[in-house]
Amino acid sequence: DAKTTQPPSMDCAEGRAANLPCNHSTISGNEYVYWYRQIHSQGPQYIIHGLKNNETNEMASLIITEDRKSSTLILPHATLRDTAVYYCIVRPTTFSGGGADGLTFGKGTHLIIQP
Amino acid sequence: GAVVSQHPSRVICKSGTSVKIECRSLDFQATTMFWYRQFPKQSLMLMATSNEGSKATYEQGVEKDKFLINHASLTLSTLTVTSAHPEDSSFYICSARDGGWHQETQYFGPGTRLLVL
Repeated sequence: DAKTTQPPSMDCAEGRAANLPCNHSTISGNEYVYWYRQIHSQGPQYIIHGLKNNETNEMASLIITEDRKSSTLILPHATLRDTAVYYCIVRPTTFSGGGADGLTFGKGTHLIIQP
Repeated sequence: GAVVSQHPSRVICKSGTSVKIECRSLDFQATTMFWYRQFPKQSLMLMATSNEGSKATYEQGVEKDKFLINHASLTLSTLTVTSAHPEDSSFYICSARDGGWHQETQYFGPGTRLLVL
């Protein structure tokens, strides 16, 4: 079972910031928070990941609460092309070389950007 | 950087035939590759993990004799669906873990849509 909880869907107006929440209350100290998105009929696209500190890259910002039990992905200026299913995933920081290294996808949040 | 390709992007085959899907890491060496399957309106499900030069590790419920995985080089993994049946119709997606600089992250291919008639 997925270790994260996300709202099933969200709407956001084009040009506004999209804030996608994720709860991961059972996260352990050696697990990253990863965000991917999947545009219809394509493979997932890596967005960003973090451990404790907030992170920012050219696509998005990731805000992780101090207790690490939840996080928010921020798309600062959403465009129509950002319409996709967004997945929040927790994953161990070390690799075992086996199936435990694979990602467990939940249902994600279907973000719809409205023109 | 970190580009993963898959070939073919779409394949239609007759029931009972075998289909091979290739997954390549184009600009990095992938020590580990993963194969996922996604049925309509569902999330991705991990099928198997393959490390270069060793046998793949299959998830519970995935038949290793039906889904043959070969990871013969650091840039290529193949998934062969043997004796395909209509229930094998799905979206097959591979991912690769960079063994070098960005080794923490998995990068996904664009997926292969398989339709078995």
